[in-house]
Amino acid sequence: QVQLVESGGGVVQPGESLTLSCTTSEFRSDGINWVRQAPGKGLEWVAFIWYDGSNKYYADSVKGRFTISRDKLKSTVYLQMNSLTAEDTAVYYCARDHGDYASDSWGQGTRVTVSS
Amino acid sequence: DIQMTQSPSTLSASVGDRVTITCRASQSIRTWLAWYQQKPGKAPNLLIYKASSLESGVPSRFSGSGSGTEFTLTISSLQPDDFATYYCQQCNGYPCSFGQGTKLEIK
Repeated sequence: QVQLVESGGGVVQPGESLTLSCTTSEFRSDGINWVRQAPGKGLEWVAFIWYDGSNKYYADSVKGRFTISRDKLKSTVYLQMNSLTAEDTAVYYCARDHGDYASDSWGQGTRVTVSS
Repeated sequence: DIQMTQSPSTLSASVGDRVTITCRASQSIRTWLAWYQQKPGKAPNLLIYKASSLESGVPSRFSGSGSGTEFTLTISSLQPDDFATYYCQQCNGYPCSFGQGTKLEIK
């Protein structure tokens, strides 16, 4: 299975920005999802990027504030998050798209806390 | 956007029981539905994709069915390791969305 490792989480104040990284163990022709989970809550799909970066999709809750991108040479996908609010506080997971719109490999998650 | 509704939210059962979790979509998603298991503090684990295809390495006691707007996940004989939270996810075009989860508890 492909290994994914997230990094870049931390504590930020409302209105600030943060960029998360998801590094994969190998470059493949895979799409990558970001999924988040607020404390004590369920899973929320956040964004998706196609293997070549040609297509990107976002949840309505983050559209216009978050940007997903990828660097194929570094086998890394990024999630740039701007104008953060307390509602963005969550563990953020990156996950490999299985090819049938399901995610079969997940990272361990990185925690983002937005608090003043 | 497509809304996913799971039922029940909580399910109490015993080892050896057969249990079924239901997921309903607000509009047809054909068979673009996946089921995940999540344990506390861990990432989700894919069980079923495309509504009824068993992910490699997942025990055969797990099965999925359905198409259109109604789907089910069945565990034929509960094992101690199965007590966890289960989520459905649709991805019939973007944005994708998850159900709110079903917590499977020991009776």
